[in-house]
Amino acid sequence: QVQLQESGPGLVKPSQTLSLTCTVSGGSISSGSYYWSWIRQPAGKGLEWIGRIYTSGSTNYNPSLKSRVTISVDTSKNQFSLKLSSVTAADTAVYYCARDRFGELAYWGQGTLVTVSS
Amino acid sequence: DIQMTQSPSSLSASVGDRVTITCRASQSISSYLNWYQQKPGKAPKLLIYAASSLQSGVPSRFSGSGSGTDFTLTISSLQPEDFATYYCQQSYSTLLFTFGPGTKVDIK
Repeated sequence: QVQLQESGPGLVKPSQTLSLTCTVSGGSISSGSYYWSWIRQPAGKGLEWIGRIYTSGSTNYNPSLKSRVTISVDTSKNQFSLKLSSVTAADTAVYYCARDRFGELAYWGQGTLVTVSS
Repeated sequence: DIQMTQSPSSLSASVGDRVTITCRASQSISSYLNWYQQKPGKAPKLLIYAASSLQSGVPSRFSGSGSGTDFTLTISSLQPEDFATYYCQQSYSTLLFTFGPGTKVDIK
């Protein structure tokens, strides 16, 4: 059974870079035809897809965030990562990682709350 | 961008009720439509993929239908554990996956 776990700082200062890592267990991140996605959810609001990466390194990003987002993968550690630069309070949210098969997000991490505040 | 809308935004229902939630896309997305259930403090859970395929392990009281721009999620007999928020998501545009705003199902 595939499991995903987000990790990273829970508090980031405005204008700094948010960095999160998703560790995949129960299977190799390189096996199968899967993308690996990041999604976020502000408190009390809906879901926003941030972007995804294939293990080849190919990425797709939400155009509204594209200028600030970088998603990378480290197959040796079975991890993929999210960097979001120049954060503001509007980036405060629960951030989820998920396994993406043809856009179907069947496996999710538990989520991690990131607060942007000085 | 493909915009997703859902109706209703919330509903109150009783255990045993038949519940239908509608999702509409701003353009045709064929059958590239997925449904998720989210409970408070938890990650979303995939229920239905490709508009009508039941995800493994999901009870058969959940079903999905539709294609093109109009889709429905039906719960044939609402159970206590089904009180949650439901989201649709289009996976037609691989450049930008978008979710509907959600439908909250609570107890009448």
